[in-house]
Amino acid sequence: AQSVTQLDSQVPVFEEAPVELRCNYSSSVSVYLFWYVQYPNQGLQLLLKYLSGSTLVKGINGFEAEFNKSQTSFHLRKPSVHISDTAEYFCAVREPGGNEKLTFGTGTRLTIIP
Amino acid sequence: DVKVTQSSRYLVKRTGEKVFLECVQDMDHENMFWYRQDPGLGLRLIYFSYDVKMKEKGDIPEGYSVSREKKERFSLILESASTNQTSMYLCASSLAPGQGLYGYTFGSGTRLTVV
Repeated sequence: AQSVTQLDSQVPVFEEAPVELRCNYSSSVSVYLFWYVQYPNQGLQLLLKYLSGSTLVKGINGFEAEFNKSQTSFHLRKPSVHISDTAEYFCAVREPGGNEKLTFGTGTRLTIIP
Repeated sequence: DVKVTQSSRYLVKRTGEKVFLECVQDMDHENMFWYRQDPGLGLRLIYFSYDVKMKEKGDIPEGYSVSREKKERFSLILESASTNQTSMYLCASSLAPGQGLYGYTFGSGTRLTVV
């Protein structure tokens, strides 16, 4: 079974500083990878996804992620964070083919310090 | 944009009650999912459905059942609510495989408290 590890449960960052949220997955086959964001008291919203092609993926709100097959990682980055980025971020993985079931990580709570 | 609507934002139920959580999507998606979200555990799949009247167990189906009589509606049923089912419940929908890998569209969630 696939699994997703988000190593940091909480990440505090000063406003306008860069941030990296880490995600590793366990799969020996090709995968599709996703990052979702959950703002307070809301459902999850898709930030970006990697399906194939370029390993650097750009998403909404200035976020990007890099797929690294050899390290089985899909870390999320933003060069300069804002107060509005305060949220919980979830990494998810899916194997191509079959159904659309996603396996999620445990989430990383990003707190922006003014 | 696809909209996924969960009928209740907050629910408080008593132990032993039968609880229905309703989810409706308006964009003709084939797949629908129920997850529960708990601090430190992330999202865990309870059940999913890839067609009307079709359902499959997810990772934690015990104590739950589902119903999908119409394509747009996917109901989660707690036959006899227990306090360990206190959680945030999230519904999601997606297109069928091969029709576009857009990921899931989520509802806003139902925070259920069982007392």
